[in-house]
Amino acid sequence: EADIYQTPRYLVIGTGKKITLECSQTMGHDKMYWYQQDPGMELHLIHYSYGVNSTEKGDLSSESTVSRIRTEHFPLTLESARPSHTSQYLCASSAMTTRLKQYFGPGTRLTVT
Amino acid sequence: QKEVEQNSGPLSVPEGAIASLNCTYSDRVSQSFFWYRQYSGKSPELIMSIYSNGDKEDGRFTAQLNKASQYVSLLIRDSQPSDSATYLCAVNMAGAQKLVFGQGTRLTINP
Repeated sequence: EADIYQTPRYLVIGTGKKITLECSQTMGHDKMYWYQQDPGMELHLIHYSYGVNSTEKGDLSSESTVSRIRTEHFPLTLESARPSHTSQYLCASSAMTTRLKQYFGPGTRLTVT
Repeated sequence: QKEVEQNSGPLSVPEGAIASLNCTYSDRVSQSFFWYRQYSGKSPELIMSIYSNGDKEDGRFTAQLNKASQYVSLLIRDSQPSDSATYLCAVNMAGAQKLVFGQGTRLTINP
């Protein structure tokens, strides 16, 4: 069973605010990912990390940034939220030893007003 | 051409019947293949993984892989209304450190 946590689960915030979405996993996985998904739409990879101090941009351009200072923690930050950032943000993790089998957190539903 | 393609559906199947979900992928040397189930408003949940040609069964679910045809499928036997969800196919492309997901197939099981 996967143990991956995201906070907050729901967030409503005004335009221009800085926000950080938290993601933590207790499985010791070296790889972590952030996806963005609108209702009924495809998953879009926005950031990923191979390990501590390693981050890469994903397939979908995003105004967000990430950091990976600790193995278990992969926060995503939006410096200035806009209504176009309204979406569901999903964090996932995997390990090479399990052939990159990914486990997802419960997600954060973000609404920017 | 997308790297991983699925029929977006919706696919409608009567309760008790077999639901068949299909996925094709472009990278011939892909190694790992996964099926995820996603209920509306929830995050994807891993339900099957398959790495070798042939069939892999787990309860009512059977994953089938044909690397020569670059094709992976998921069969759900004795479909239940609770199986109604979007099913995502994911492929680990060779040399990549991430999975590539298909767009998902929306499945509805009719009582």
